[in-house]
Amino acid sequence: GQQLNQSPQSMFIQEGEDVSMNCTSSSIFNTWLWYKQDPGEGPVLLIALYKAGELTSNGRLTAQFGITRKDSFLNISASIPSDVGIYFCAGHGTQGGSEKLVFGKGTKLTVNP
Amino acid sequence: GAGVSQTPSNKVTEKGKYVELRCDPISGHTALYWYRQSLGQGPEFLIYFQGTGAADDSGLPNDRFFAVRPEGSVSTLKIQRTERGDSAVYLCASSLLRQSTSLGGDEQFFGPGTRLTVL
Repeated sequence: GQQLNQSPQSMFIQEGEDVSMNCTSSSIFNTWLWYKQDPGEGPVLLIALYKAGELTSNGRLTAQFGITRKDSFLNISASIPSDVGIYFCAGHGTQGGSEKLVFGKGTKLTVNP
Repeated sequence: GAGVSQTPSNKVTEKGKYVELRCDPISGHTALYWYRQSLGQGPEFLIYFQGTGAADDSGLPNDRFFAVRPEGSVSTLKIQRTERGDSAVYLCASSLLRQSTSLGGDEQFFGPGTRLTVL
């Protein structure tokens, strides 16, 4: 099935460092979303972006909706051990009107204390 | 309040058997979604319901997969003649779907998933 191109695939960083990950698509989406998934759990929404060019923050997280509506990035500042997990981008709302989400393959983040 | 719940949490079955996976959405949520997540991959859409009807079933991989939501609340995903390639985590999500998604905020809340292993 369709998936977004998400990079990097994995990251190993020291506590306190900043992190950046991004997502691209060949399709336009009306909404971009960033989720975090812990082992044995379902994805949890971190940030939702609804307008092209929008820059949104949620605590130490900042995300932007690309102006072309085909890309997005997520930044995490001053990482802490509990940031460990898999981060997924997801696109929502394409032509055709389906409510389904299209996910990237994820970025696995490891934070060394 | 209670989140999305899924049962069982784990299911081990033999190739060729029939399985049912259950999802209890958040009370009052009108939309319910099924996704499948293979190891090392993001969730992939299977089907979603608006009320009792399947609004989009384009993600179901073949006719061995079927889902129902007879009363507009609980949903069951049914897999016939299971194959080893069906092994994955099956995630359910629900949302309070408004008429116009341009309003935003129709967050999909995910359950913990059912891990299906086909031997």
